[in-house]
Amino acid sequence: NAGVTQTPKFQVLKTGQSMTLQCAQDMNHNSMYWYRQDPGMGLRLIYYSASEGTTDKGEVPNGYNVSRLNKREFSLRLESAAPSQTSVYFCASSESLGRQETQYFGPGTRLLVL
Amino acid sequence: GNSVTQMEGPVTLSEEAFLTINCTYTATGYPSLFWYVQYPGEGLQLLLKATKADDKGSNKGFEATYRKETTSFHLEKGSVQVSDSAVYFCALGLSGGYNKLIFGAGTRLAVHP
Repeated sequence: NAGVTQTPKFQVLKTGQSMTLQCAQDMNHNSMYWYRQDPGMGLRLIYYSASEGTTDKGEVPNGYNVSRLNKREFSLRLESAAPSQTSVYFCASSESLGRQETQYFGPGTRLLVL
Repeated sequence: GNSVTQMEGPVTLSEEAFLTINCTYTATGYPSLFWYVQYPGEGLQLLLKATKADDKGSNKGFEATYRKETTSFHLEKGSVQVSDSAVYFCALGLSGGYNKLIFGAGTRLAVHP
């Protein structure tokens, strides 16, 4: 039982390049999330998926797109990377939506955009 | 609006010292409250949570009590260990559309032998 896995662990991009961050969970959770973590700011929600087949914007969606490929996988795409997107990206999942639900986090992807 | 304020770090303690990390929140409705911990190079993991006023969450010697009257959820541990060195995040969970977690900025704890 691996929990939430993310690939790659680390990536360097040039401004304007594109890439996709991959996330998978093996806990049979319905809901999945993408966050970014910036120094001194905690985590901010980019996009979330309540269940397979649905996605919605979070607090900071601009410059990103997501795909809920199936129940297990939720990918985050940067179409044209910008230096402001340098950050650590975390994927998370929870059994369902609800204020009491615990979210389980992956180990993160560290992205540097030059 | 909804927000979480944590004490600024870093907090530096000697092993076996008492730990308090302050957390206060502003929220509409009835949030749940969480403490997450992030060890170096890892993702966040749940440390403890409380879902209603006066609930106490506890885990691994850490405790926090949901105080609605003071809008606080302070994290405490009686005797810290070097292995507790990490960044601690207070978060509130809100209902209304999705499982929205609002995080504080995090407090770094360094415990020395």
